[in-house]
Amino acid sequence: TQLLEQSPQFLSIQEGENLTVYCNSSSVFSSLQWYRQEPGEGPVLLVTVVTGGEVKKLKRLTFQFGDARKDSSLHITAAQPGDTGLYLCAGAPGYSTLTFGKGTMLLVSP
Amino acid sequence: KAGVTQTPRYLIKTRGQQVTLSCSPISGHRSVSWYQQTPGQGLQFLFEYFSETQRNKGNFPGRFSGRQFSNSRSEMNVSTLELGDSALYLCASSLGTGGTLNTEAFFGQGTRLTVV
Repeated sequence: TQLLEQSPQFLSIQEGENLTVYCNSSSVFSSLQWYRQEPGEGPVLLVTVVTGGEVKKLKRLTFQFGDARKDSSLHITAAQPGDTGLYLCAGAPGYSTLTFGKGTMLLVSP
Repeated sequence: KAGVTQTPRYLIKTRGQQVTLSCSPISGHRSVSWYQQTPGQGLQFLFEYFSETQRNKGNFPGRFSGRQFSNSRSEMNVSTLELGDSALYLCASSLGTGGTLNTEAFFGQGTRLTVV
């Protein structure tokens, strides 16, 4: 059983569209992190959310941490081809080892 | 400041051989974690080293091992390679000293291992 479930697994959209991807768990996390990975590269940290209900914005990306600290979402406004990549959420329950979801593969076509 | 460096980037090995991968973490980071990434399983945790000691271990067979040196550089070794070991192996460094933000991981570019 995956500790962190991400949905959808794949998303193919046109440039300019909005999208939301989700990261859910039955466990409580002290924080959750979002990474983006491009083909042939390692994941790159985008943001860490710490407080339940927290919303963080990074240009066109909006990250939200659920009130109960069991889930998170990433919303992208007006997606661009440069947003293409694998989006991974990760958490370390009780400050233990960082665990990753399987990711959402996003393809943004011009 | 220099990022995480993994060597080599690409490797082709034959079944039954062994392989050693290297990772140099960000200066000042004492934790190094290793992950195996495959299309079907995603990122799977192998092990974590902190100050030369293995602190956590994932659910992989004993053919997978690692170590960390006093300068925090880490190596992982896979013996008796199998076809299913073909994957992208990623190393991540972090401060690792506890606390929420100290789990943030900084990844290398990975080593693409192909077993034939």
